[in-house]
Amino acid sequence: SQELEQSPQSLIVQEGKNLTINCTSSKTLYGLYWYKQKYGEGLIFLMMLQKGGEEKSHEKITAKLDEKKQQSSLHITASQPSHAGIYLCGADKTGNTPLVFGKGTRLSVIA
Amino acid sequence: DAGITQSPRYKITETGRQVTLMCHQTWSHSYMFWYRQDLGHGLRLIYYSAAADITDKGEVPDGYVVSRSKTENFPLTLESATRSQTSVYFCASSESYRPIYNEQFFGPGTRLTVL
Repeated sequence: SQELEQSPQSLIVQEGKNLTINCTSSKTLYGLYWYKQKYGEGLIFLMMLQKGGEEKSHEKITAKLDEKKQQSSLHITASQPSHAGIYLCGADKTGNTPLVFGKGTRLSVIA
Repeated sequence: DAGITQSPRYKITETGRQVTLMCHQTWSHSYMFWYRQDLGHGLRLIYYSAAADITDKGEVPDGYVVSRSKTENFPLTLESATRSQTSVYFCASSESYRPIYNEQFFGPGTRLTVL
């Protein structure tokens, strides 16, 4: 069963707009991982968050983990067509188990 | 080539046939994983392995068999393929379960169609 809820399921934004994707767990997480998948390809690692309140940025993508370590957000500033794809969050629940993934958020960026 | 590779990339088979999907990684990562990705279900873990000769079931193991005789290879076998096993299969590897090393590296996927 899926233990990570992602929202929204899909998102269409105009190029240049900002957007946020959320990932929520009912349980405290040991680690939270964000991946991006382009259609027909494998997953590419974006960022990993472990500490409550932690925030990381890479280029125009910022990921945050809340203090309770149950919710993470991925924010993209000034979206570009290259940002299009499926974003998945993966969680490490105990520090000793494989990652569990959310169902993903499909992002489309239109000109 | 360095990295993680999967073969074949595309496979069409018939119900009842045995199919083996191959996964090979060149990093000597201890952990390897098999996932399937389906619309509405996302990415689900089938089997994983912590080392050679050590495997464990994931969320959806029924109908699948794995083996790991060598660290670098982790084949997934569908003993008698069913239509419900039509999916995209991803292999992944990681160095460790410890968070900083738990980044999983994914292969390009195998798209399997069972007729």
